[in-house]
Amino acid sequence: DAGITQSPRHKVTETGTPVTLRCHQTENHRYMYWYRQDPGHGLRLIHYSYGVKDTDKGEVSDGYSVSRSKTEDFLLTLESATSSQTSVYFCAISGGENYNEQFFGPGTRLTVL
Amino acid sequence: SQQGEEDPQALSIQEGENATMNCSYKTSINNLQWYRQNSGRGLVHLILIRSNEREKHSGRLRVTLDTSKKSSSLLITASRAADTASYFCATVYPGGSYIPTFGRGTSLIVHP
Repeated sequence: DAGITQSPRHKVTETGTPVTLRCHQTENHRYMYWYRQDPGHGLRLIHYSYGVKDTDKGEVSDGYSVSRSKTEDFLLTLESATSSQTSVYFCAISGGENYNEQFFGPGTRLTVL
Repeated sequence: SQQGEEDPQALSIQEGENATMNCSYKTSINNLQWYRQNSGRGLVHLILIRSNEREKHSGRLRVTLDTSKKSSSLLITASRAADTASYFCATVYPGGSYIPTFGRGTSLIVHP
């Protein structure tokens, strides 16, 4: 398995609180992504990064921000969590020769009450 | 949305049977990928087929691509209970973006 970890794996929080999810990779891949997965929607891209300090918005970026200060870490922050952000969040990485192929982390289940 | 669409949404078969799932998309692609997701886990890349390829094999997996119909099929031969999972197609479009767009998936159940 590609070396990707996500923390925390589960989190319950209350509406209005800030939340930060962490993705850590040991593959030295250039690209990192945050997705959310919801029933009926499949995976939707939130933000992605194409290098240290280089990030861009995805399809559903409202209410989320990201940061990447090191190659190995990509943080997703919900500045003020809402119930609509209850979801399973996946981090993915890609790079190297087969840069189209993505490797996924185990996911973080976030519940916003 | 440029999301691919998988068909059927759900598929239930017996062990040993073949499973076929399809993916349709709307505009020309650079490549199309298939991923598997076991319950409670992240997605795992299965196979990538480029727009100039028509068929690829990997073990018990066979993927076909028909660019004239804008569709792809994933065939799993001699299914096993361990193949029970959701399967997603992901399309990569030309024009500079390397990021795949995922469909909603097909849920496959293989009964022992």
